Amino acid sequence: AQKVTQAQTEISVVEKEDVTLDCVYETRDTTYYLFWYKQPPSGELVFLIRRNSFDEQNEISGRYSWNFQKSTSSFNFTITASQVVDSAVYFCALSEFVGANNLFFGTGTRLTVIP
Amino acid sequence: DVKVTQSSRYLVKRTGEKVFLECVQDMDHENMFWYRQDPGLGLRLIYFSYDVKMKEKGDIPEGYSVSREKKERFSLILESASTNQTSMYLCASSWDSTTTDTQYFGPGTRLTVL
Repeated sequence: AQKVTQAQTEISVVEKEDVTLDCVYETRDTTYYLFWYKQPPSGELVFLIRRNSFDEQNEISGRYSWNFQKSTSSFNFTITASQVVDSAVYFCALSEFVGANNLFFGTGTRLTVIP
Repeated sequence: DVKVTQSSRYLVKRTGEKVFLECVQDMDHENMFWYRQDPGLGLRLIYFSYDVKMKEKGDIPEGYSVSREKKERFSLILESASTNQTSMYLCASSWDSTTTDTQYFGPGTRLTVL
């Protein structure tokens, strides 16, 4: 069975601090995809990143970086020098390789960046 | 840019009413999805469709039905709304049904059933 755990329900940081959002997943598949989405107060889920299970290279995009470690089944997300606009709920999700129907979401982490 | 739109941002209905939630995507995507989002539960898949007139049940289809008469439009139907269907409903679409493709989401409809 597939499962995504985001143990941090809520996190508050002061602006300019770095923050890491944790994501731990479970799957029996050897091939799978991992995603991060951002949900700002407006409600729309915004796609951030998609990573397949064969690519463990860490990725950096501006202030965002992702650390994928198959050995610990984790796909953590770090925001460097956080800003108030980063305040949102962040979801980690997992999907099997074949079939577009099975996207499993974690319960989300609410990040509040305090000015 | 992918654009997924939903007919209403906020909706208030009474118990027993028939409710239609509409979703339209403008990128010729094959797949469309309906999720509901509840605090502490994340997003849960209600139904999805991989082609016109095709539909598949997700994790929580009870109390819901769907319709996909045109490729760009996917409707979620609550035949007889109940208070436990008060929730945020999110529509999504993705390109290809043969492999896992990124899902793009609409702005959501917050439904309140009184």
